[in-house]
Formats: sequence, structure tokens, C-alpha cells
Amino acid sequence: QVQLVESGGGVVQPGRSLRISCVASGFSFSDYDMHWVRQAPGKGLEWVASLWHDGGNEQYVDFAKGRFTISRDNSKNTLYLHMNSLRAEDTAVYYCARAGMVTIQYFQYWGQGTLVTVSS
Amino acid sequence: QTVVTQEPSLSVSPGGTVTLTCALSSGSVSTSDYPSWYQQTPGQAPRTLIYNTNLRSSGVPHRFSGSILGNKAALTITGAQADDESAYYCALYMGSGISVFGGGTKVTVL
Repeated sequence: QVQLVESGGGVVQPGRSLRISCVASGFSFSDYDMHWVRQAPGKGLEWVASLWHDGGNEQYVDFAKGRFTISRDNSKNTLYLHMNSLRAEDTAVYYCARAGMVTIQYFQYWGQGTLVTVSS
Repeated sequence: QTVVTQEPSLSVSPGGTVTLTCALSSGSVSTSDYPSWYQQTPGQAPRTLIYNTNLRSSGVPHRFSGSILGNKAALTITGAQADDESAYYCALYMGSGISVFGGGTKVTVL
């Protein structure tokens, strides 16, 4: 079955960098667009970034532009989010999500999330 | 800046019907926005319910249905059950891989 397993979260100081990962299994990773979605404590879902199946068309929400980079390694079935200049307001659970196939414009499967806490 | 608005909270009686809506600040929601809906209980990852306006994701009970009502996307729960008490989020597709979520609706079954 489809599995998405995020890792790499933790406590990081403001201004520092962090890379989180999402390992996919149970499907042909290189065939699907992928997304990162985050959820601050007690808040709603917020789309962060997306990447086409072939690594093209990086897209970011405004607060992520210039600070976050989404990438993937299809040989390792892994999606990444590299976050620079982290701020307290970036504290959130970060979910990776797989797009659909025939209909790509939604989040068909979700990982369990990894918590990133930005604090001194 | 695109804002997607949902009711902050709604309540429904067991066995009753409730409709959640999803509005777009820039105008009407249409099928071209590919509305999708997600259910989330505390501490859990979101679960996909509806995509492409009205298609149920695999395993989703038929009591959940999606539609366009007037100028909004809508999620209707018909015959609500206790375990439907959750937060529900809509998402609209803005093109080029970009999506925007609504603020979520907390549904209480009482």
C-alpha cells in the first residue's frame, strides 16, 4: 500500500536551516507530483510547495519563496524540503502529500508528518 | 492574495444533515478550481474525502458528498455519525501546482 514517511524534524534555532525528508513506497514515485503541506499548532492546513514528477515546476507559497527549496531524488523515492532562515512562525507539523494520477489537482495520500519547532 | 473561506464551526445532530461551504475571495468557485475536501481528527494526518468537486476517495462512505452550491464548493454529510466529529478542510487548485486551503470547519455531532 502507499506509504509516505517523513523524517528530519526537530528543534532548530531561529535563523538556522533544516532539511526534512519524505520516503515513499507502494507506488511508482517518479510518476507522481508531490507536495509539502504544513500545520502550525492549533491552526489549519497550509500548502507550502509542490514539484512535478520529473523534478520540474517548483512552486511555493509566498512565505516560502527564497527561503525553502523543494526537491526530489526519484532514484531514492524521496522528497525533500530544505528550509533556510527559519522563523518561529515556521513551527509546524510538515506533511508530504502525493497528488492524484488521473486527477492531479488534489492530495490523494498523506504522510504522518514531522514536527519542526523553531525556538532558541 | 487569494483567500478561501469556510465556516469556523457547525453542529449537526446524529443522523442529521450538514453542509459545509468553501468560498473564494476573488469570485465564484467552479469545477475548474478542482475543489477537494479533507477530514482531520486531532493528532492525525488529514484524510482525503472528496476530489474534483464530487468524486469520493477510495473507502469514503457515501454519506459524504461534494458539489457546487451557488458560487461555493460544498461538502454535505447526510446521516451524520458520532465519528464524523472532526475538522474539515477544503482546498482549491490555483493552477501550476499551487493550491490554497480554507481555514477549516470544526463539525460537532451532538
